Amino acid sequence: DIQMTQSPSFLSASVGDRVTINCKASQNINKYLDWYQQKLGEAPKLLIYNTNSLHTGIPSRFSGSGSGTDFTLTISSLQPEDVATYFCLQHNSGWTFGGGTKLELK
Amino acid sequence: EVQLQESGPGLVKPSQSLSLTCSVTGYSITSNYWGWIRKFPGNKMEWMGYISYSGSTSYNPSLKSRISITRDTSKNQFFLQLNSVTTEDTATYYCARYRYGGSLDYWGQGVMVTVSS
Repeated sequence: DIQMTQSPSFLSASVGDRVTINCKASQNINKYLDWYQQKLGEAPKLLIYNTNSLHTGIPSRFSGSGSGTDFTLTISSLQPEDVATYFCLQHNSGWTFGGGTKLELK
Repeated sequence: EVQLQESGPGLVKPSQSLSLTCSVTGYSITSNYWGWIRKFPGNKMEWMGYISYSGSTSYNPSLKSRISITRDTSKNQFFLQLNSVTTEDTATYYCARYRYGGSLDYWGQGVMVTVSS
């Protein structure tokens, strides 16, 4: 089974900061890595699919990069509405989630 | 707009079956794939399985003996049944739509299910 290690598990940043969240796969997952955002009490929302494709309606301050086993979600300029938990999902072989990153405002 | 809504009992006794419904509006379940995911206390998430546009299914091997996903196309609903539950099955259960390629592009808000006597 593919394991996904996400870091950090908690992140505090200021409005306007550049924020990065990482996911590492236990084996090569090619490009099949997504990023999701979940705000408290809401449904998870797809942000980025297949490493770097922005889902419909998602602001361009969100971007994804990586390949193989190492992947990164970047928020170029943090906004107050970005406070949420973010998680990654690999779907190269089955589906496996990262442990999540809780993002708060400093 | 595609919308999914989970429903079902919030409390299930150990050894009984957990049964949940996902009601879909804005899109037919006879297209795409549709599935269930759960989030445990402590935030670990687990893929449970899916049902395809044709009715075929795939399940997480760790659940294969206990899980069943079915559908009613006339009501545009699909269902989760998990048998012989234990306290380890306490979680928030989400239904979701798979876009082509395997990403989950629409999710329900989730329903919390507690397994307790």
